[in-house]
Amino acid sequence: AQTVTQSQPEMSVQEAETVTLSCTYDTSESDYYLFWYKQPPSRQMILVIRQEAYKQQNATENRFSVNFQKAAKSFSLKISDSQLGDAAMYFCAYRSAKNYGGSQGNLIFGKGTKLSVKP
Amino acid sequence: GAVVSQHPSRVICKSGTSVKIECRSLDFQATTMFWYRQFPKQSLMLMATSNEGSKATYEQGVEKDKFLINHASLTLSTLTVTSAHPEDSSFYICSARNRRGGYEQYFGPGTRLTVT
Repeated sequence: AQTVTQSQPEMSVQEAETVTLSCTYDTSESDYYLFWYKQPPSRQMILVIRQEAYKQQNATENRFSVNFQKAAKSFSLKISDSQLGDAAMYFCAYRSAKNYGGSQGNLIFGKGTKLSVKP
Repeated sequence: GAVVSQHPSRVICKSGTSVKIECRSLDFQATTMFWYRQFPKQSLMLMATSNEGSKATYEQGVEKDKFLINHASLTLSTLTVTSAHPEDSSFYICSARNRRGGYEQYFGPGTRLTVT
């Protein structure tokens, strides 16, 4: 079974600085997707960034970028120029790309990292 | 991006009563919907997965007779918590997936259930 591990329960960053959130996963599959979701105090889950395992190039979305190391099964999220609005819980998630009777696998979430941004 | 709505956002019910939570995909057809439960300061726990017109598939440990899921149309899924007890108090989140959208998964804003 696949697992996702986020080893940092809490992180803190100064506004305008850069922070990296760690995520490792375990799978025997070669084709899958990895995601970072943000859950602010409103509890609404927001997709931050997505990475296809077959792509070597690291995904980037504005101030958010990932460091995807497939061999090491590592998928860290870097937030540059941190803003107060970045304060939230961040969840790393894995999803198999296998086709299960017409639909792909379920999301498997890590336990989350609570990010605080200091003004 | 696609929008998923949930109603109600908050509900308080008395122990022993049933409560229904609705989940709607507003601008796409959701071939698959998911229901999650989230305890304070914890991750999302998948309760069940449902495909339109089919019976829901429940995760191990989730009582299907207590948490009734109906995915009657491509835009609506409902979760009914039957004979609710205080331990059912939690934050429930639905999510929907659109096959045409490359299997992207969108989340509703959640429903906070409090059973007194």
